[in-house]
Amino acid sequence: AQKVTQAQTEISVVEKEDVTLDCVYETRDTTYYLFWYKQPPSGELVFLIRRNSFDEQNEISGRYSWNFQKSTSSFNFTITASQVVDSAVYFCALSGNNAGNMLTFGGGTRLMVKP
Amino acid sequence: KAGVTQTPRYLIKTRGQQVTLSCSPISGHRSVSWYQQTPGQGLQFLFEYFSETQRNKGNFPGRFSGRQFSNSRSEMNVSTLELGDSALYLCASSFESQETQYFGPGTRLLVL
Repeated sequence: AQKVTQAQTEISVVEKEDVTLDCVYETRDTTYYLFWYKQPPSGELVFLIRRNSFDEQNEISGRYSWNFQKSTSSFNFTITASQVVDSAVYFCALSGNNAGNMLTFGGGTRLMVKP
Repeated sequence: KAGVTQTPRYLIKTRGQQVTLSCSPISGHRSVSWYQQTPGQGLQFLFEYFSETQRNKGNFPGRFSGRQFSNSRSEMNVSTLELGDSALYLCASSFESQETQYFGPGTRLLVL
């Protein structure tokens, strides 16, 4: 069975603060993929990043960065210098090698960035 | 390239009715997956279709069904609607399994 836990249900920060969203996963698959999606109020899930289990390199994309640590089964997401437009619900998801295209989502973290 | 499109965007039905939702994937994508999102249960996988065949199914009752056409467009059907079926239904497409899934805007279904 697969499981994704996002312990932070809601985070509120002031603009320009850095914020880290936590994601912890469980899987028995040796090969798996981790994802982050953003869901603005419109409802559409916007893809942010995909990482496979053999690639533990951290990644930076503009103000976004991701820290993948297999030893702790975590895939955390950091937004540097947050902006009001970053306000959304963020989901971490897992796809196991034996699960086809089935994504197991965490419960999501609602991020509110105040001006 | 056009994104994933879903129709209709909003739907109101009454208990006992049935509903059909449609999804057109990104051009060239062969896999279409459906998800249900509710405040209580979060995002849950319904099923995946690839080349007109259901490849994977989540833990939902048989009232939820789907199909995929030769042009990769997909429909999902919910029969005998219940109040608890009120949700945002999201469709996602990818070229192949375990590649990035891109989501459509969703269909908001309200069952009265």
